[in-house]
Amino acid sequence: AQSVTQLDSQVPVFEEAPVELRCNYSSSVSVYLFWYVQYPNQGLQLLLKYLSGSTLVKGINGFEAEFNKSQTSFHLRKPSVHISDTAEYFCAVSGDTNAGKSTFGDGTTLTVKP
Amino acid sequence: ETGVTQTPRHLVMGMTNKKSLKCEQHLGHNAMYWYKQSAKKPLELMFVYNFKEQTENNSVPSRFSPECPNSSHLFLHLHTLQPEDSALYLCASSRRGGGETQYFGPGTRLLVL
Repeated sequence: AQSVTQLDSQVPVFEEAPVELRCNYSSSVSVYLFWYVQYPNQGLQLLLKYLSGSTLVKGINGFEAEFNKSQTSFHLRKPSVHISDTAEYFCAVSGDTNAGKSTFGDGTTLTVKP
Repeated sequence: ETGVTQTPRHLVMGMTNKKSLKCEQHLGHNAMYWYKQSAKKPLELMFVYNFKEQTENNSVPSRFSPECPNSSHLFLHLHTLQPEDSALYLCASSRRGGGETQYFGPGTRLLVL
């Protein structure tokens, strides 16, 4: 069984400030980890994913995430946010046996204020 | 046209109506999914299809009936819905296997009156 916990339901930040969105997971098998973003009135799109190798993963729009196996975490970070980063962010986990299916967290609403 | 498309984008229906949502993917994927996204609730996986066969049904009420005639098309037939079924319905597709990215359509915003 797999599960994902996004520790913050809402994160308000000012423009050009750094941000971290936190994600913890649990799984009994090797995992693959994802961050998706959902802009208003749109579907989800992939920001970045960790499959193997380097634990620091870089994604689109200046986001990056670090896989920490000992802490079972995959936190998303950006050093300087823009108004356009305002969106809902979802952490997800999948494993080898899930045939592509992912388990999603509840989402974190990032609001960037001017 | 590329990616995952969904039609209609918006739908208003009465509780006695029958309607269908359509999803089409042009990515050559062999797994397709229906999700329900309600306000202030987590993303709910409803159905999973792999190679046209349903492999998962997450205890979805029978008033939702999926159909997958081929690997590129997925339908969700709606009948006798309730107001609490109002939500954004998202379709996604992926290659089969762990670690595969899901590609989402823009969703159908459904309002049941």
